Amino acid sequence: NAGVTQTPKFQVLKTGQSMTLQCAQDMNHEYMSWYRQDPGMGLRLIHYSVGAGITDQGEVPNGYNVSRSTTEDFPLRLLSAAPSQTSVYFCASRPGRRVYEQYFGPGTRLTVT
Amino acid sequence: AQKVTQAQTEISVVEKEDVTLDCVYETRDTTYYLFWYKQPPSGELVFLIRRNSFDEQNEISGRYSWNFQKSTSSFNFTITASQVVDSAVYFCALSLEGYSTLTFGKGTMLLVSP
Repeated sequence: NAGVTQTPKFQVLKTGQSMTLQCAQDMNHEYMSWYRQDPGMGLRLIHYSVGAGITDQGEVPNGYNVSRSTTEDFPLRLLSAAPSQTSVYFCASRPGRRVYEQYFGPGTRLTVT
Repeated sequence: AQKVTQAQTEISVVEKEDVTLDCVYETRDTTYYLFWYKQPPSGELVFLIRRNSFDEQNEISGRYSWNFQKSTSSFNFTITASQVVDSAVYFCALSLEGYSTLTFGKGTMLLVSP
């Protein structure tokens, strides 16, 4: 198993550009989430999904879109990047209701200039 | 709403010292799960421990130990005889029964110098 994979590892965007951060897991996990990590702020939840076709907003959803068309993939879209979205983004997956361990991807470091 | 507080922003110790990282949580739920994660300088998140709200037994794993006290809503983490490789940011996190996500504290950066 590759676990949770994220691409790209690093990305630099100009303000107003759009891009998609990719997240995939090969463990057949039901739950997937996106977090952002900013200095001194810990990790904050952006969006999450409890299954294919089901997504919901977390604590800081503004400026981000998600969809979950398959169990494996959970992409995060930035429609019009802003400097405030400069952050490290982590994708996580969790098997399902009865198992509470979250498996994290290696992260994507995004800089918006 | 739930909350996790890690009041210590940064701790510096010298190798071989013992160090305790504090974690205080808030929730009205009776069933919940507490976690500690380590984030070394390389940036990945490493799972250390999970504890559920019905299990107040302390746990020891090598140089690591965890003290869970429901009476004070705390889940503290102690590293005995710290080593340089323990230098990292440590996060405490909370998950509620029926929820799919984690609420994180802001993290404590531990610097262990030789």
